[in-house]
Amino acid sequence: NAGVTQTPKFQVLKTGQSMTLQCAQDMNHEYMSWYRQDPGMGLRLIHYSVGAGITDQGEVPNGYNVSRSTTEDFPLRLLSAAPSQTSVYFCASRDYSGANVLTFGAGSRLTVL
Amino acid sequence: RKEVEQDPGPFNVPEGATVAFNCTYSNSASQSFFWYRQDCRKEPKLLMSVYSSGNEDGRFTAQLNRASQYISLLIRDSKLSDSATYLCVVNSASGGSYIPTFGRGTSLIVHP
Repeated sequence: NAGVTQTPKFQVLKTGQSMTLQCAQDMNHEYMSWYRQDPGMGLRLIHYSVGAGITDQGEVPNGYNVSRSTTEDFPLRLLSAAPSQTSVYFCASRDYSGANVLTFGAGSRLTVL
Repeated sequence: RKEVEQDPGPFNVPEGATVAFNCTYSNSASQSFFWYRQDCRKEPKLLMSVYSSGNEDGRFTAQLNRASQYISLLIRDSKLSDSATYLCVVNSASGGSYIPTFGRGTSLIVHP
């Protein structure tokens, strides 16, 4: 049981480049989300999805796009990277039965030069 | 004002000490509450849920005070391995789902 898998683990981009952070889960969780974590700021919600075909904005959505074509995958796209997007990104998923507990991926560390 | 507030610390305590963290939240309609633990350069992992009646898991005790809108975490007999950042998480209803909001975390350092 792999849980939540994020790729890549590390990435360096130049300003203006685009890229996609991948997130996949094999637990059949309906809810998936992306967070960014910066020193002193804690985890901030970027986008989330409550099921395939449904996405919504979180606290800091600007500069990021998401889609949810399947239950398993929830990619995060940076269309034109900026240095302010240098951060550690975490994907997390959750089912709706029981405890509402989030399961996180191992994180993707992104540097934008 | 951030929805979920924590003292960032660090709390620097000797092994064997008892330490307590508090977390306040602003949304009185919040539904469920958790403490997560995050080790350096790792992902957050659930430490324990927090129930209104209070709950205990070994050396860890969590309490919820809905009237004053805070939750607490008590760690007894601290171990070196307890050194980590402790994140308070509050789930609040939004458009038919429960959206988690994280505090900024409290850093704990347990020294010999």
